Amino acid sequence: TAGITQAPTSQILAAGRSMTLRCTQDMRHNAMYWYRQDLGLGLRLIHYSNTAGTTGKGEVPDGYSVSRANTDDFPLTLASAVPSQTSVYFCASSDSAVTEAFFGQGTRLTVV
Amino acid sequence: RKEVEQDPGPFNVPEGATVAFNCTYSNSASQSFFWYRQDCRKEPKLLMSVYSSGNEDGRFTAQLNRASQYISLLIRDSKLSDSATYLCVVNPSYGNNRLAFGKGNQVVVIP
Repeated sequence: TAGITQAPTSQILAAGRSMTLRCTQDMRHNAMYWYRQDLGLGLRLIHYSNTAGTTGKGEVPDGYSVSRANTDDFPLTLASAVPSQTSVYFCASSDSAVTEAFFGQGTRLTVV
Repeated sequence: RKEVEQDPGPFNVPEGATVAFNCTYSNSASQSFFWYRQDCRKEPKLLMSVYSSGNEDGRFTAQLNRASQYISLLIRDSKLSDSATYLCVVNPSYGNNRLAFGKGNQVVVIP
């Protein structure tokens, strides 16, 4: 069972370049999320989507955009990367009752 | 005030000992509560949900105190494999799927 998959697992990106982090789930969960995790700051919500076709801003949305064209996919785009976006990014999904959130394995992004 | 607050530690625990820690949440209307475990350089995974009546899973016991707005996790007979970061997670808004995470309690079990 695949569950939730992120790609790539790691990336070094030049500042000013754009990049899309991919996230796919096969559990038919309505809700999906993007978090970033930084040392000392914990997991912070970037954007979320309660259902296909809708998205919302989380705690730290600036510099990021998302789309939710279908249930399975929830890509995160950095339009013009900056070094402060160096982080570990986790995608997650859950059913509408939020009984459990399932996480992808994470993407380690370094912006230089 | 942060939605979920935890003392990050680290909590250095001798093998076989008991360790307990709390987290506090700010929204009294919060509906769902969880403890997640995160191993180094890995994704968080659900350890246990926390119910109003409390719940126990083997050596792990979770409690919810709505009056004081905190949840707790107790680990008995600590094993080396319990070394991890334990994340307190709250759904702060009824009808909203968004989860709020604490920074985590880092537990290091020492032989």
